[in-house]
Amino acid sequence: DTGVSQDPRHKITKRGQNVTFRCDPISEHNRLYWYRQTLGQGPEFLTYFQNEAQLEKSRLLSDRFSAERPKGSFSTLEIQRTEQGDSAMYLCASSLGALEAGQFFGPGTRLTVL
Amino acid sequence: QQQVKQSPQSLIVQKGGISIINCAYENTAFDYFPWYQQFPGKGPALLIAIRPDVSEKKEGRFTISFNKSAKQFSLHIMDSQPGDSATYFCAASRYTDKLIFGTGTRLQVFP
Repeated sequence: DTGVSQDPRHKITKRGQNVTFRCDPISEHNRLYWYRQTLGQGPEFLTYFQNEAQLEKSRLLSDRFSAERPKGSFSTLEIQRTEQGDSAMYLCASSLGALEAGQFFGPGTRLTVL
Repeated sequence: QQQVKQSPQSLIVQKGGISIINCAYENTAFDYFPWYQQFPGKGPALLIAIRPDVSEKKEGRFTISFNKSAKQFSLHIMDSQPGDSATYFCAASRYTDKLIFGTGTRLQVFP
């Protein structure tokens, strides 16, 4: 399978705990995006990378969120001191970085904060 | 500020009918307009996309119509099938920038 993969698929945690999600993009895709989707809404942009450089972070992203893409391949998204409002589906997408190449999404990680 | 408005919220169509979903955008700098299909528990899947230099693009049963002056675009699903039942999202971006999504349309196709 050469699509975008995400791990874990589901995560249940208690409020105040830290969680980390991983995304493996389609190989050779130099752009990697993180989005968050709550029930009944469209995905909302969080941040994106071109290779290992983080080019943009949403103003929605609080200081408790951090993302890395250390070698320009996989990426991690960490949420510190989770809150119930963080419960959502966290989606990763990758693209070739060309206009009509399209962004391809992974299956997402469903986070539930109790 | 919502930059992409999508309607209707939900749509019920009989098998074989045409499903039409509409979107309107505000930012004239947007130059890429994709549509995504999402099934429950899955990530969005890219269906079809258009750039503003063309007024229509067709791929199989899916057609995007684009009206640059009105800042509107729509998805037409011809010969709708029960397997098309899903949530559809329009989106817009400027070059290869982040995607701004609409709020989604839940489509149900009944046999």
